[in-house]
Amino acid sequence: DAKTTQPPSMDCAEGRAANLPCNHSTISGNEYVYWYRQIHSQGPQYIIHGLKNNETNEMASLIITEDRKSSTLILPHATLRDTAVYYCIVRVAGTASKLTFGTGTRLQVTL
Amino acid sequence: GAGVSQSPRYKVAKRGQDVALRCDPISGHVSLFWYQQALGQGPEFLTYFQNEAQLDKSGLPSDRFFAERPEGSVSTLKIQRTQQEDSAVYLCASSFTSGRTGELFFGEGSRLTVL
Repeated sequence: DAKTTQPPSMDCAEGRAANLPCNHSTISGNEYVYWYRQIHSQGPQYIIHGLKNNETNEMASLIITEDRKSSTLILPHATLRDTAVYYCIVRVAGTASKLTFGTGTRLQVTL
Repeated sequence: GAGVSQSPRYKVAKRGQDVALRCDPISGHVSLFWYQQALGQGPEFLTYFQNEAQLDKSGLPSDRFFAERPEGSVSTLKIQRTQQEDSAVYLCASSFTSGRTGELFFGEGSRLTVL
């Protein structure tokens, strides 16, 4: 699975949009981009995934660049409960492959 | 329950003791994964089951680590002769299929401390 690069930490004011970047320049054509987050003392939680089109669900939006070498997770109105470590993962589609986590981005949402 | 359940939540073991960690996946979920998460690090893959078959155990760090899922539901991760470096949170995750959706549901983990 392709390696991803994320900033180690970011801050965001409550109520503002949080934009978390991820670089995956070696992504292959059959690899999806997944985002998970891990709130302190909990297991990781699935947020969203996509192949090449932008995706949106009730939690977040995922913007993937046209060349698919990078993506951005957007939390449109961050709250204190969104403080967590966010992991960007690329994974081959249609396989039983495991998710390979990196060290993620620690997002701190402040008042 | 509605989610993945792990027990015990906390375990303290003396070096050299054997431990067993249990995972109850979501009912009907075919795939089950075990991960190890050291302090300040992301989760690292240990092993994967599809029903009762252990299809990938490439992440198990040594032959002291053993996992089973005999009836394709509950899984147990066993660590023999625990060492201090085994101290970590052990996470279990399940998913309905092994396909492209990739949505794994994680439990809250079992925190193992080896003294």
